[in-house]
Amino acid sequence: GAVVSQHPSWVICKSGTSVKIECRSLDFQATTMFWYRQFPKQSLMLMATSNEGSKATYEQGVEKDKFLINHASLTLSTLTVTSAHPEDSSFYICSAQRPLAGGVADTQYFGPGTRLTVL
Amino acid sequence: QKEVEQNSGPLSVPEGAIASLNCTYSDRGSQSFFWYRQYSGKSPELIMSIYSNGDKEDGRFTAQLNKASQYVSLLIRDSQPSDSATYLCAGPPFSAQKLVFGQGTRLTINP
Repeated sequence: GAVVSQHPSWVICKSGTSVKIECRSLDFQATTMFWYRQFPKQSLMLMATSNEGSKATYEQGVEKDKFLINHASLTLSTLTVTSAHPEDSSFYICSAQRPLAGGVADTQYFGPGTRLTVL
Repeated sequence: QKEVEQNSGPLSVPEGAIASLNCTYSDRGSQSFFWYRQYSGKSPELIMSIYSNGDKEDGRFTAQLNKASQYVSLLIRDSQPSDSATYLCAGPPFSAQKLVFGQGTRLTINP
């Protein structure tokens, strides 16, 4: 199978602090990872595309200076929420893209998510 | 215009029946489609992928792709209460890496 892990699974922090979330592909190499955010009862919202060794591509409306993404290796991407505020409280989910044999299509596998609560 | 559209439901099906979930897409260049299941409070889990016209079966699940009509469907046979979840249809635009998700269909299987 394709396993993606996230750490931590939940975090509570004070307003103004920074929080780092790690996303790892455990049994495959992922040149591309994605970061999503999901508010209760809402759809997944793509925040950014993270490519190994290069700068992340952010979706429109996502502040790149607030949500720092680093993809330093083929198995690890990190998302740092800087100066977090209560409105940043959400469910953050990463996914890793695994190339399909035969090159038909790459498949995204999701991590279990990180629930962030900012007090 | 949304690129991937789903009936948001909710869809209610009795236990043991067939649940049918549908999705349409606008980009004729899309080559691959995915169905994900998301339980409340959890992250999406891949159920099926389909790339060719026709049917693809995996256990109780059958994905159907019709590129001429630009729709994708997922059939769940012998529905179980544990199938109750939100089902997300997704496909990449022809020239992009990222997935485009439908808004999801909430499915409830009634015992």
